[in-house]
Amino acid sequence: ELKVEQNPLFLSMQEGKNYTIYCNYSTTSDRLYWYRQDPGKSLESLFVLLSNGAVKQEGRLMASLDTKARLSTLHITAAVHDLSATYFCANWVGSNYKLTFGKGTLLTVNP
Amino acid sequence: EAEVAQSPRYKITEKSQAVAFWCDPISGHATLYWYRQILGQGPELLVQFQDESVVDDSQLPKDRFSAERLKGVDSTLKIQPAELGDSAMYLCASSFGRGTEAFFGQGTRLTVV
Repeated sequence: ELKVEQNPLFLSMQEGKNYTIYCNYSTTSDRLYWYRQDPGKSLESLFVLLSNGAVKQEGRLMASLDTKARLSTLHITAAVHDLSATYFCANWVGSNYKLTFGKGTLLTVNP
Repeated sequence: EAEVAQSPRYKITEKSQAVAFWCDPISGHATLYWYRQILGQGPELLVQFQDESVVDDSQLPKDRFSAERLKGVDSTLKIQPAELGDSAMYLCASSFGRGTEAFFGQGTRLTVV
């Protein structure tokens, strides 16, 4: 079965530290999306990665895509409390372009 | 800024009752998705429309759930009868076409008691 897998599922960080969230997928898609979700809220689009080698940065977050390895990373630099949220990666699966999500990474940034 | 509109935002219903959710996608978006998200899990696709046609409903529990998009614009998701396990966030999303960026509405939080 085609899947999108994230790790870690839970991440507790100290402010100021760096860390990386990994997203592996099993399709041949050249596109990948990252979303952020705050508790009780909907999904907010963070990054749209459209090709192999794509790199996008927004503030302390940087996302990259390696389609040959079927891997995307979300790197957090010098974490701050406001980044605490759940982060999802998503990928298109199948001929009907079913947008399939990973299980999410719950990020908690502690002072 | 264009948004996906959903209503209601919150719904509490008793077990065995019927419940319906409404979604109005961004204007011009041909593809519409309904997702269910159980607390602590990732969104799971229930049904995907391309215009007024269903292109994927493989995860929709068809004995109790139904979805329609009659004119290829807004959509309704219905549950009848509701069960306790249906308590979740129901998210609607739309995209210009298949394989393009999907934008999500605010969701409907359903609690079945």
